[in-house]
Amino acid sequence: GAGVSQSPSNKVTEKGKDVELRCDPISGHTALYWYRQSLGQGLEFLIYFQGNSAPDKSGLPSDRFSAERTGGSVSTLTIQRTQQEDSAVYLCASSLLTSGRADYTGELFFGEGSRLTVL
Amino acid sequence: ELKVEQNPLFLSMQEEKNYTIYCNYSTTSDRLYWYRQDPGKSLESLFVLLSNGAVKQEGRLMASLDTKARLSTLHITAAVHDLSATYFCAVLYLRNAGNMLTFGGGTRLMVKP
Repeated sequence: GAGVSQSPSNKVTEKGKDVELRCDPISGHTALYWYRQSLGQGLEFLIYFQGNSAPDKSGLPSDRFSAERTGGSVSTLTIQRTQQEDSAVYLCASSLLTSGRADYTGELFFGEGSRLTVL
Repeated sequence: ELKVEQNPLFLSMQEEKNYTIYCNYSTTSDRLYWYRQDPGKSLESLFVLLSNGAVKQEGRLMASLDTKARLSTLHITAAVHDLSATYFCAVLYLRNAGNMLTFGGGTRLMVKP
């Protein structure tokens, strides 16, 4: 598709279960971001992938959170032993790789998000 | 620590009135963005501001950037109900280790008839 695709759009799970959220970025976009948005709140950075470089994991809130990006394209965010405070919308975004051009916008394009509810 | 602060966090306006949302950031930035988010929806890009003095306008919205003051503004002219949404500014830092996009807390705008 033309945009960033995320699945599932909604996920309800029981406390303690593991969940996987998927992001398929825009074709050709080598930078991929995961953000978390709790109800009525701003966006919290989780993790960033750029090309073949090691990911920036500085935003992951605990070791229960992990993410992979296979083949430089699709990414999966995994939350182990989910807790109620993990309930949020998880947003994925992609962009072109950094460019030295002055007109490089670095604009991020967001998916529709995956709404996670932990009961 | 990179900080991006928006104010106000909540804004209730009457139609046809003008108002400004402010976005301050703590460290020299390379790019600044404004996004719109409708309830239950994802983020829609509104403006990309690339340099000091940049001004962009689309309809009743106008965004500007002052990199020396580390300040961006989103000005709303003659508000209409359709502008009701949450508006986020975000600041991009280009680093060798990769880009970092940091968001403000958002401004929830309600335009009342």
